Amino acid sequence: LAKTTQPISMDSYEGQEVNITCSHNNIATNDYITWYQQFPSQGPRFIIQGYKTKVTNEVASLFIPADRKSSTLSLPRVSLSDTAVYYCLVGVNTGTASKLTFGTGTRLQVTL
Amino acid sequence: GAVVSQHPSRVICKSGTSVKIECRSLDFQATTMFWYRQFPKQSLMLMATSNEGSKATYEQGVEKDKFLINHASLTLSTLTVTSAHPEDSSFYICSASRTYYGYTFGSGTRLTVV
Repeated sequence: LAKTTQPISMDSYEGQEVNITCSHNNIATNDYITWYQQFPSQGPRFIIQGYKTKVTNEVASLFIPADRKSSTLSLPRVSLSDTAVYYCLVGVNTGTASKLTFGTGTRLQVTL
Repeated sequence: GAVVSQHPSRVICKSGTSVKIECRSLDFQATTMFWYRQFPKQSLMLMATSNEGSKATYEQGVEKDKFLINHASLTLSTLTVTSAHPEDSSFYICSASRTYYGYTFGSGTRLTVV
């Protein structure tokens, strides 16, 4: 499984856009990129998944360059409730039973 | 959807006793489930892969005799922490995968061994 590298922590003010970049230099052809959010004492929650270019849903956007060696999670206009740990995972399409390996994650702190 | 229910959400037990944690896929069948462990301020560490009808596959360094996993049906996997000790106190999380829905995680179980 491709290893991922993310910043350990980030700080932001409420209302700002937050971009979290993840490096995955050894990503394989069949690998997808998935981001999860975790609040304290809760299980991770799926945010967004992509393979290439750009993916957008109601909560975030995911930007993936052509070489796919990195990806950027973009959270528009964050609020205090977005304070959480964000994990970038790389692996085979989640339709299979491949195990997920979590990296360190990025601890996002949003303040007023 | 793809809902995974985990029970109990928190448990306190005495040192030397055993504790069972249940993980259920509520609206889908999961032939494979995963068990993770998370210490405070740390990332999730995969403990084992639970396979319905067969033995679990444990990650290196995880004691299979201490962390018993049973996946007796397509909707239920259990993790039993045997002869628990204070160092087993942690946050345990299960997950399951469903086609098109990806991996869904349970809400976690906070185990405290006193």
